[in-house]
Formats: sequence, C-alpha cells, structure tokens
Amino acid sequence: EPEVTQTPSHQVTQMGQEVILRCVPISNHLYFYWYRQILGQKVEFLVSFYNNEISEKSEIFDDQFSVERPDGSNFTLKIRSTKLEDSAMYFCASRVTSGRRNIQYFGAGTRLSVL
Amino acid sequence: AQTVTQSQPEMSVQEAETVTLSCTYDTSESDYYLFWYKQPPSRQMILVIRQEAYKQQNATENRFSVNFQKAAKSFSLKISDSQLGDAAMYFCASETSGSRLTFGEGTQLTVNP
Repeated sequence: EPEVTQTPSHQVTQMGQEVILRCVPISNHLYFYWYRQILGQKVEFLVSFYNNEISEKSEIFDDQFSVERPDGSNFTLKIRSTKLEDSAMYFCASRVTSGRRNIQYFGAGTRLSVL
Repeated sequence: AQTVTQSQPEMSVQEAETVTLSCTYDTSESDYYLFWYKQPPSRQMILVIRQEAYKQQNATENRFSVNFQKAAKSFSLKISDSQLGDAAMYFCASETSGSRLTFGEGTQLTVNP
C-alpha cells in the first residue's frame, strides 16, 4: 500500500539553526499538508500546498516557515531560525484531490528537538 | 471558526468490553466530514473511521462505529470487543471548506487485560 514517507524520524538541532523536514507524498497525490503536534497537545494545521503554491496557512505559519516542492517527489518544510517552542512532532499529509471525499494520508512524523 | 472538543482526557476499558469516546464539534457549514484518528505510541496518525455530515447513517468499520448526532453536533466513537492493540491516543477531527483538518485534544485509551 502506498504511504507518505517522512525523513528524518528524529531531528535534533540547536536554537537558531535552520532545519529542513522532508516528505515524500504518495505519487499521484496533488495536495500536501504540514501539521504540528507539540508534546501533549492537539495536532495543529500549519499549511496546505497545491500547484506549487500555498493554498492555505494558519497563524502559526509565520515568516520563519516556508514550504517547497523542489522536485516531482519531495515536499519540504523549512524552519529558518529554530526556537525552543518549535520542538514538536511534524506530520506531512497528502491527498489525491481537494475534494473531501478523498482522505488525507499521514506520514509517521518527524520529531524535532530544539536545544 | 471550527472547534472540536474531546472532554475525556483518559479512558480505560477491559479487554473484550465496549468503550465509547466522546467528541463535540462546532461549525457553521452544512457540508463537512468528521474523523477519528488513532495515534499509537509510535505517534503515527492512523485513520479509524470517517463520517460524511450529509449521511444520516452512522459509519461502521468492523469493531468501530460512530454515533453521529448532527443537531447536537456530537460524534462519538464506539469500540466493541476492545483489544490490547486498541490502546492509543484517539483524536476526533473535522474538515470543512479549505480542506484543513481541525483536531480535538485527544483521549488516551488504556485497554486492561
């Protein structure tokens, strides 16, 4: 069964450093998402992406965040200057189309630890 | 704005028994979907079941079923014949226009042997 793949599974970084979280969505999917889950809290939407541009973003997704689809397979989330509060689990998701009949498939997540 | 509320931070059930997890939501839209996701210790998000708001019939998936009360904006998950592998965090979520998922706070389910 096709799946969304995220790398690395765990990323440790120093405060102020840039990190790039990588995702490989399911191959025929066109819509991509990033969510964040701070330990012990609910999962929060960050951004959605379609046709090489952001289609929606939350108030969390400020100027330190950016997303990119650098080639036909990868979808990345960049955090420019990490803060302690960026420590969280980051989930990538993808779906075939925007129609709600098609569900979002989640990756296993990347745990980001900012020291 | 959408909100999803899960008022039970923790629940426990005996193996083979039935448990119901509660969820309420608020939305002004008429067309929306509701979901239950399971998050085991590995923290992967696994879809358990979904309900389309325009369908009156409650969704079922094997041992999992929902009680969807649209007027009350309630969406509970019933797990029958609970198994040890059902132990996880369960999140209720909604999706309306714009396609983002809005999640509740989660309910940690423990299954006792």
